[in-house]
Amino acid sequence: QKEVEQNSGPLSVPEGAIASLNCTYSDRGSQPFFWYRQYSGKSPELIMSIYSNGDKEDGRFTAQLNKASQYVSLLIRDSQPSDSATYLCAVNPEGAQKLVFGQGTRLTINP
Amino acid sequence: GAVVSQHPSWVICKSGTSVKIECRSLDFQATTMFWYRQFPKQSLMLMATSNEGSKATYEQGVEKDKFLINHASLTLSTLTVTSAHPEDSSFYICSARDVGSNTGELFFGEGSRLTVL
Repeated sequence: QKEVEQNSGPLSVPEGAIASLNCTYSDRGSQPFFWYRQYSGKSPELIMSIYSNGDKEDGRFTAQLNKASQYVSLLIRDSQPSDSATYLCAVNPEGAQKLVFGQGTRLTINP
Repeated sequence: GAVVSQHPSWVICKSGTSVKIECRSLDFQATTMFWYRQFPKQSLMLMATSNEGSKATYEQGVEKDKFLINHASLTLSTLTVTSAHPEDSSFYICSARDVGSNTGELFFGEGSRLTVL
């Protein structure tokens, strides 16, 4: 089992709708969790970090963490064409300094 | 947020030559930096963890003699791809954490795209 798993997509969402991205992880002791956005040919940029169970909102973005089920999700409200990118889930395995990334979900927002 | 600078952004080299990529933390100190590699349409794969003043820790399957890492100061780590071959062509990205921050996030450099002819 991969340490971090994401649906690679592509995921297509109409403009203005809610985009939902999901991620599961295998190490129950992982902490914290991150969502990065990566445009083609560019390096990743941080969108959200989440440490505790529940929801964390930042503008149009909401991260959701469920440690019991070992998943973390990202919701993007009022999706814009500029949100079209690959979204990477990353987790910090217990006792490790490194971040382990999922394979990324390619999201396309259709005007 | 903190700034990580990577140089060069693009490099094209002949097979068999060595290429050095620099990663600098511009406004913070980083005792640890991370080197990732990304092939087209794939995710970031950690190659090694660079530790200031000590040997790097390599991930399984990464040849330490081929990918030389030096972390001589708190703001600079270098990755040298020795005797590069076409299969080494990839997007190399460094990242670092601010030791003075408790958020745990990684800040990424702009990436270096290596093409080996």
